[in-house]
Formats: sequence, C-alpha cells, structure tokens
Amino acid sequence: EPEVTQTPSHQVTQMGQEVILRCVPISNHLYFYWYRQILGQKVEFLVSFYNNEISEKSEIFDDQFSVERPDGSNFTLKIRSTKLEDSAMYFCASSESFDNEQFFGPGTRLTVL
Amino acid sequence: AQTVTQSQPEMSVQEAETVTLSCTYDTSESDYYLFWYKQPPSRQMILVIRQEAYKQQNATENRFSVNFQKAAKSFSLKISDSQLGDAAMYFCAYARREKLTFGTGTRLTIIP
Repeated sequence: EPEVTQTPSHQVTQMGQEVILRCVPISNHLYFYWYRQILGQKVEFLVSFYNNEISEKSEIFDDQFSVERPDGSNFTLKIRSTKLEDSAMYFCASSESFDNEQFFGPGTRLTVL
Repeated sequence: AQTVTQSQPEMSVQEAETVTLSCTYDTSESDYYLFWYKQPPSRQMILVIRQEAYKQQNATENRFSVNFQKAAKSFSLKISDSQLGDAAMYFCAYARREKLTFGTGTRLTIIP
C-alpha cells in the first residue's frame, strides 16, 4: 500500500540553525501539506501546496518557513532560523485532490536546543 | 474561522464495551468534510472515518461509526467492541478545501 514517508525521523538542531525536513508524498497525489504538533497539543495546519505553489498557509507559517518541491517526488519544509518554540512533531500529508482523504507520514520530531 | 471542540480530554472503556467520543464544530459553510483520526503512541496519524457534510447517512467503518448531526454541528465517534489496540489519542477534524482543522483530542484508554 502506498504511503507517505518522511526523513529524518528525529532532527536535533541548535537555535538559529536552518533545518530542512523532507517528505515523499504518495506518487499520484497532487496536494501536499505540512502540519505540526507541539508535544501534548493539537495538530496545527501550516501550509498546503498545489501545482508548485502555496495554496493556503496559516499565521504560523511566517517568513522563516518555506516549502519546495525540488523534483518530482520530494516535498520539503525549510525553517531558516530555528527557535526553541519550533520544537515539535512535523507531519507531511498528501491527497489526490483537495476534498480527498489526507494521508499522513510518520512525522519528523524536531528538537531545537 | 472554523473551530473544532472536543470536550472530553480523557475517556476510558472496558474491553469489548462501547464508547462514544464527542466533537462539535463551528462553521458557516454548508459544504465540508469531517474526519476522525487516531494517533497511537507512535504518533502516526491514522484516518479512522470520514463524513461528507452533504450526506445525511452516517458513515460506518467496521466497529467505528459516527453520529453526524449537521444542524447541531455535532460529530461523535462510536467505537463498538473496544479492543486494546484502540487505545490512542483521537482527533476530530474539519476540512473545507485543503486545510484540516483539528480538535484538541481525546485520550482513550482501554481497560482489560
């Protein structure tokens, strides 16, 4: 069964450093998403991406965040200058269309020291 | 803005019994989707069940069913014949186009 994959599973970084979280969506899906979940809290939408551009973003997704689909398979989330409060689980998801089920990857746990 | 409320932070149920998790939401839209996701300790998000707002019939998926009350903006999840593997956080989510809005979750414990 096709699945969304994410790498790395755990990333530790120093405050102020740049990190790139990687995702490989399901191959025939056209919509891609990033969500984050701070420990013990609810899952929050960050951004959706379709046709090589951002289609919607939340207020959390400020200038320090960016997304990219650098090739036909990867979808990345970059955080330019990490802050302590960026520590969270980051989930990538993909769907065939905007009103279809979103399939989630296993998540990347980001720890900012 | 859409909001999703789960008023039960924790629930417990005896194995083989039935439990109902509550969810309410707020929206001015008429066309949307509702979901229940399960998050076990591994923290993977797993879709349990989906409901289209335009459908009056409640969705069912094996031991999982929903009670969708559109006018009341209520979307509860019923788990029948609870199993140990059902122990997890359960998140209710609302979707209008791409964005999923999640509730704060209900931690379900299964008592053997």
